[in-house]
Amino acid sequence: AQSVSQHNHHVILSEAASLELGCNYSYGGTVNLFWYVQYPGQHLQLLLKYFSGDPLVKGIKGFEAEFIKSKFSFNLRKPSVQWSDTAEYFCAVRALYNFNKFYFGSGTKLNVKP
Amino acid sequence: GAGVSQTPSNKVTEKGKYVELRCDPISGHTALYWYRQSLGQGPEFLIYFQGTGAADDSGLPNDRFFAVRPEGSVSTLKIQRTERGDSAVYLCASRPGGDTGELFFGEGSRLTVL
Repeated sequence: AQSVSQHNHHVILSEAASLELGCNYSYGGTVNLFWYVQYPGQHLQLLLKYFSGDPLVKGIKGFEAEFIKSKFSFNLRKPSVQWSDTAEYFCAVRALYNFNKFYFGSGTKLNVKP
Repeated sequence: GAGVSQTPSNKVTEKGKYVELRCDPISGHTALYWYRQSLGQGPEFLIYFQGTGAADDSGLPNDRFFAVRPEGSVSTLKIQRTERGDSAVYLCASRPGGDTGELFFGEGSRLTVL
């Protein structure tokens, strides 16, 4: 089974600071990768995804993520965070041999101070 | 609304009782998932339905847990003889037949076993 590691459990930033959240996965084969976000009091929603092609993926609200196959990583970035980015962020992976099963990391709580 | 609906949003029960959690997916979505999210953890896969059948129930922790989707739409997660360790948020997600990779989550049912 695949596993997903998010090493930053809680990140506190000031507005306009740059963000990078780490995500590493364990499976060596072909994968699809995802970042989900959960704003306070809301449901999980997709932020961005990588299937194939350009390893730099752009998502909603100025977020982007880079797939580095050699490092088994899919880190999430944003050049300048806003208070409204305060949320919990989850990385997820699925292997193409079992593409119906999604594995999630333990999440990173981001607090952005105004 | 057109989103995934889960009821109840909160359920408090006593150890040993039986509990049912309901999920109403987005209309037309053929795939339905149940995940469990314990405090400080990411969503943990429980079971996946494609249509009416459970295509993968490998995540159900033991035989006290059972889920059904008799008409290929609404699903019910059933927990017998609840234990304190079952306390968690139970998330339901659905996915359309054409694979975009995106899971559409409900807001979850928070189960507390006293």
